[in-house]
Amino acid sequence: DAKTTQPPSMDCAEGRAANLPCNHSTISGNEYVYWYRQIHSQGPQYIIHGLKNNETNEMASLIITEDRKSSTLILPHATLRDTAVYYCIAPNTGTASKLTFGTGTRLQVTL
Amino acid sequence: DAGVIQSPRHEVTEMGQEVTLRCKPISGHNSLFWYRQTMMRGLELLIYFNNNVPIDDSGMPEDRFSAKMPNASFSTLKIQPSEPRDSAVYFCASTLFGSGNTIYFGEGSWLTVV
Repeated sequence: DAKTTQPPSMDCAEGRAANLPCNHSTISGNEYVYWYRQIHSQGPQYIIHGLKNNETNEMASLIITEDRKSSTLILPHATLRDTAVYYCIAPNTGTASKLTFGTGTRLQVTL
Repeated sequence: DAGVIQSPRHEVTEMGQEVTLRCKPISGHNSLFWYRQTMMRGLELLIYFNNNVPIDDSGMPEDRFSAKMPNASFSTLKIQPSEPRDSAVYFCASTLFGSGNTIYFGEGSWLTVV
């Protein structure tokens, strides 16, 4: 897997956009970037993934830089229920189902 | 869809006892994973199966741990004998390999070995 680097923690005010960065400078051309989150006491939950184009779904947007060395997960209007640990993962192609979780970013959404 | 179903949700057992954790993956999924989560080590992949066959068990900590998948709808993770250091949350997850690899996790089995 490509090594990913995320800040250990971030704060965000409720209603504001939460922008979570991830560096993956060793990513290869055909490796996707996946984002999962884990709310306390629950199993990890898939959020979004992308290869080179920006992606958006009902949960979030994913912005991938043109050189693919970094990405940003955007929660457009964070709520208290978005408080969680967010994981950025770039698994090897071919074993893409085998996700290796790092330490992630602990996002705290506050009033 | 009912999602990935794990049982038991919580178990407290004495050191030396056998522990069996069970998992029912999402119907139609052909890959199944067992993860363990602790404060010290985070989320670790223990083993995963494709089409009921173990593909990679390099994360299984030692011989006390074993996992089986007798059919596409059921898997077990067994610890025998259990030790206090096995206390953790054990997650089962499944996916349809090649479909974009979105992995769905169960709610976990919280194991405490005293």
